[in-house]
Amino acid sequence: GQQLNQSPQSMFIQEGEDVSMNCTSSSIFNTWLWYKQEPGEGPVLLIALYKAGELTSNGRLTAQFGITRKDSFLNISASIPSDVGIYFCAGQQGNTGKLIFGQGTTLQVKP
Amino acid sequence: DAGITQSPRYKITETGRQVTLMCHQTWSHSYMFWYRQDLGHGLRLIYYSAAADITDKGEVPDGYVVSRSKTENFPLTLESATRSQTSVYFCASSEQVGNQPQHFGDGTRLSIL
Repeated sequence: GQQLNQSPQSMFIQEGEDVSMNCTSSSIFNTWLWYKQEPGEGPVLLIALYKAGELTSNGRLTAQFGITRKDSFLNISASIPSDVGIYFCAGQQGNTGKLIFGQGTTLQVKP
Repeated sequence: DAGITQSPRYKITETGRQVTLMCHQTWSHSYMFWYRQDLGHGLRLIYYSAAADITDKGEVPDGYVVSRSKTENFPLTLESATRSQTSVYFCASSEQVGNQPQHFGDGTRLSIL
């Protein structure tokens, strides 16, 4: 099936560092979403992007919808231990509501 | 604000058994979705529903059945469970497509022995 290529697969960083992760695809999407998942819980929405070129922030998180509509990135500034989790990108095409998910980026933060 | 709830949270059953996973949302969202999450595959769509009595297949529908007689409920049934269906199952809902994101439940961890 269709997939999003999310990278990196995992990151182990020091508290206070900035983090960047991205998703790319060979297909065009009209919506990009970024979710965070913690152990034993469902994914929680972080940022939603609906227009090509859109740059949106949510606290220390910033995400952008690529101009080509085939990619998106998520930045986390000044990481803290509670940022630990798995971050997923998801893209939506058309009007069916179906999402395609990336494989996830596992983030670990060392205090 | 109850949101979206899944039950049971954990289930162990045997191959060949029928098992139903429940999903209930209190937002009156039109759209509901079922995903499975497996290591190495991320989240994959099983079935989705645009409204009561309207359902459609996702990426991995084989072996699963859904129904949507009421807007707030979207049960997922494994008619004859197989070991390959051992997974974590997530239900999600959204108000509409296009500019409304999906919100997820906390999942059901299903083990099939």
